[in-house]
Amino acid sequence: KQEVTQIPAALSVPEGENLVLNCSFTDSAIYNLQWFRQDPGKGLTSLLLIQSSQREQTSGRLNASLDKSSGRSTLYIAASQPGDSATYLCAVKTSGSRLTFGEGTQLTVNP
Amino acid sequence: GAGVSQSPSNKVTEKGKDVELRCDPISGHTALYWYRQSLGQGLEFLIYFQGNSAPDKSGLPSDRFSAERTGGSVSTLTIQRTQQEDSAVYLCASSLGDRLGEQYFGPGTRLTVT
Repeated sequence: KQEVTQIPAALSVPEGENLVLNCSFTDSAIYNLQWFRQDPGKGLTSLLLIQSSQREQTSGRLNASLDKSSGRSTLYIAASQPGDSATYLCAVKTSGSRLTFGEGTQLTVNP
Repeated sequence: GAGVSQSPSNKVTEKGKDVELRCDPISGHTALYWYRQSLGQGLEFLIYFQGNSAPDKSGLPSDRFSAERTGGSVSTLTIQRTQQEDSAVYLCASSLGDRLGEQYFGPGTRLTVT
């Protein structure tokens, strides 16, 4: 059974800092990995999708890497801003259809 | 185009009543998913549709839960005889349907069972 773990559970940083969120998964036979953002009381916004054959994806200030063999992914956020404050969720698709989610990292960026 | 939409956004119901939650996927997306997000439980998969068929229903927590999809589009999740432990945010997602597809989520329906 696939299990996804995210570290840290919560993170508070000053504005402008670069930061890294970590995600690990137990079954390396994945199709892809998605990073999402969730604002309080809202749905999930897809940030980046990395296929199993890829090593990284970039979008603006966000960069996600994937090391499938070691079961790890990182989300790098450059020059953090207060608007980046949200919960970040990592999810993997192992087989069939479903995504298996981590518990999330709650990020607070202080002005 | 429009994203995934869900209705209602909030639903308060009394224990024992039946509820129906609706999902409108992105046009052209053949795959549709239901997830549930509960306090302390994280996000858990409920059911997956490919077209109107549900090849994976393994996440439905009990036989009080059912779902259908018609016309390869709109889906309805029905919870019969609601219990307090059914209180959660129910999220719907859709994708283009192949196993590599990115899933796009709706805003969710917050269900409160009193």
